Amino acid sequence: GENVEQHPSTLSVQEGDSAVIKCTYSDSASNYFPWYKQELGKRPQLIIDIRSNVGEKKDQRIAVTLNKTAKHFSLHITETQPEDSAVYFCAASRSTDSWGKFQFGAGTQVVVTP
Amino acid sequence: DVKVTQSSRYLVKRTGEKVFLECVQDMDHENMFWYRQDPGLGLRLIYFSYDVKMKEKGDIPEGYSVSREKKERFSLILESASTNQTSMYLCASSFTGFMEAFFGQGTRLTVV
Repeated sequence: GENVEQHPSTLSVQEGDSAVIKCTYSDSASNYFPWYKQELGKRPQLIIDIRSNVGEKKDQRIAVTLNKTAKHFSLHITETQPEDSAVYFCAASRSTDSWGKFQFGAGTQVVVTP
Repeated sequence: DVKVTQSSRYLVKRTGEKVFLECVQDMDHENMFWYRQDPGLGLRLIYFSYDVKMKEKGDIPEGYSVSREKKERFSLILESASTNQTSMYLCASSFTGFMEAFFGQGTRLTVV
């Protein structure tokens, strides 16, 4: 089955700096890669996702890159703000238009200090 | 607004009890999931279901079973609760394999 590894486990950044979280996956057939943010005491929520036919996707200060050959994908947060402090999870899935089974990484605790 | 609702926020059960965790979604989603969340281990998949037709084991199914008799309801069953099953349990659902998974609020289960 799919195995997703996520690094680093914790990340401290100064406000305004960039943060990068990296994930690797094992199943070359995985084709969908979402990222979730979980604030303290709350449920995980999707922040950005990418399909395997795309190399990069941006949404304001957040971007995700995918390298299918190397089987890794990364989340980039620019101009970090205190409200970016949370746990971030990557996931990989061998999805179809009907179903998909999401395997998550272990999470990265991001702390943005003012 | 999608709603995924778990029946209990906090639950305390005794070792050996049979425990039912219920999850209901109101958006006709085909896919439903049960995850276990432990510090440093992330979200580990226990079971996955596609409609009422298919149930598939995840990474850590031992000691758990599931039921999905109706499309909107997915239950996780701990056959004989043990202390190592003390954890946060999260239910989620998605419409297709390429769409957002919506999570419930979680059930903090303590087995004593």
